[in-house]
Amino acid sequence: GAVVSQHPSWVICKSGTSVKIECRSLDFQATTMFWYRQFPKQSLMLMATSNEGSKATYEQGVEKDKFLINHASLTLSTLTVTSAHPEDSSFYICSARDQQANYGYTFGSGTRLTVV
Amino acid sequence: DAKTTQPPSMDCAEGRAANLPCNHSTISGNEYVYWYRQIHSQGPQYIIHGLKNNETNEMASLIITEDRKSSTLILPHATLRDTAVYYCIVILTGNQFYFGTGTSLTVIP
Repeated sequence: GAVVSQHPSWVICKSGTSVKIECRSLDFQATTMFWYRQFPKQSLMLMATSNEGSKATYEQGVEKDKFLINHASLTLSTLTVTSAHPEDSSFYICSARDQQANYGYTFGSGTRLTVV
Repeated sequence: DAKTTQPPSMDCAEGRAANLPCNHSTISGNEYVYWYRQIHSQGPQYIIHGLKNNETNEMASLIITEDRKSSTLILPHATLRDTAVYYCIVILTGNQFYFGTGTSLTVIP
């Protein structure tokens, strides 16, 4: 089945620095990928839809200048958390859909971001 | 926005069938019902999906009512490893997934 690789699995950074998270579709091409954020004991919240070769579409309330998304190829999307603050500490998850397959979206294993 | 309603939590004895309900009364004719689960600190895992007919795979069965306003995910023989949060999602193929609050299933030895 389709595999989505997310890297890193965890990261600790200092306040004010930027962190980049990668999401790769390993054995399929994904024109669209999705980024989610999940706080402890809460559900996944969709942040943005990443479209290959064009600008990402952000959900209401998500700061596009703070969460930079780049989808430069059919197998890679990146999320950069800029000027990170402790309140950005969360579990970030990406997903992508293999349009050739008869099932839904495949999710990455997530990235645990801790800002200190 | 999530278009589904699920009970917040359920318990199930190990080896017994786990029946997880989901209400989606506003579902439209072209929308599918998808089920995913999330084990602690991992990404969601696809379980099964369907449009109108009941579906079965190696993981579970999906029963969709005739009016499509509700469905039930059945794990036929629950194991401890099935302890997770289960999400029922209604979606048009190709659109974004919006997650509801899900059902936290605890399988009890």
